[in-house]
Amino acid sequence: DQQVKQNSPSLSVQEGRISILNCDYTNSMFDYFLWYKKYPAEGPTFLISISSIKDKNEDGRFTVFLNKSAKHLSLHIVPSQPGDSAVYFCAASGTSYDKVIFGPGTSLSVIP
Amino acid sequence: DAGVIQSPRHEVTEMGQEVTLRCKPISGHNSLFWYRQTMMRGLELLIYFNNNVPIDDSGMPEDRFSAKMPNASFSTLKIQPSEPRDSAVYFCASSLASGDSEFYGYTFGSGTRLTVV
Repeated sequence: DQQVKQNSPSLSVQEGRISILNCDYTNSMFDYFLWYKKYPAEGPTFLISISSIKDKNEDGRFTVFLNKSAKHLSLHIVPSQPGDSAVYFCAASGTSYDKVIFGPGTSLSVIP
Repeated sequence: DAGVIQSPRHEVTEMGQEVTLRCKPISGHNSLFWYRQTMMRGLELLIYFNNNVPIDDSGMPEDRFSAKMPNASFSTLKIQPSEPRDSAVYFCASSLASGDSEFYGYTFGSGTRLTVV
């Protein structure tokens, strides 16, 4: 039973445009949501997070939006750059002490 | 800090052999996680420790897998005997669970790519 879903395995975006990566979850007990970026042959690196008491968190070019009623979150990257090409994992956790459950990932390609 | 250090980076072994993966977490972190990444199952949590104590090992595939954390600076994941279906990238991650309102997730190591032939 997949608790964190990323229904788009891949996404291709032109450089300078907006990239929107989507994520859905099923467990209403999740309190924290995170996005990780992963390059080949490296471990995932933390990108941005949001707690369930917020609906938006912004860090530079990256913004995460949370819609709790729809159990949906999205990551916006504006403007997209070729260096953003990577696999992006959506993840969720019950508390900061709890285990983090990862989605299957979306491979983003930013075309110069 | 050098980050989470995993060794070896690559391991090729024959079916039936024992394999030991090693992890040194970030100093001061109190939680350690072992994940496995495969094409079929993505990133799945195998086991995690809090203050060196195993908290949840429900993700360990079977008895062939075992993990230990003898102290705050070292953990091992052992597979005995290994099988070809164990071939995957194994990641170790650590974090400091502080109970604050913000959660910055884990810091991952670079992983160990295991191939069992």
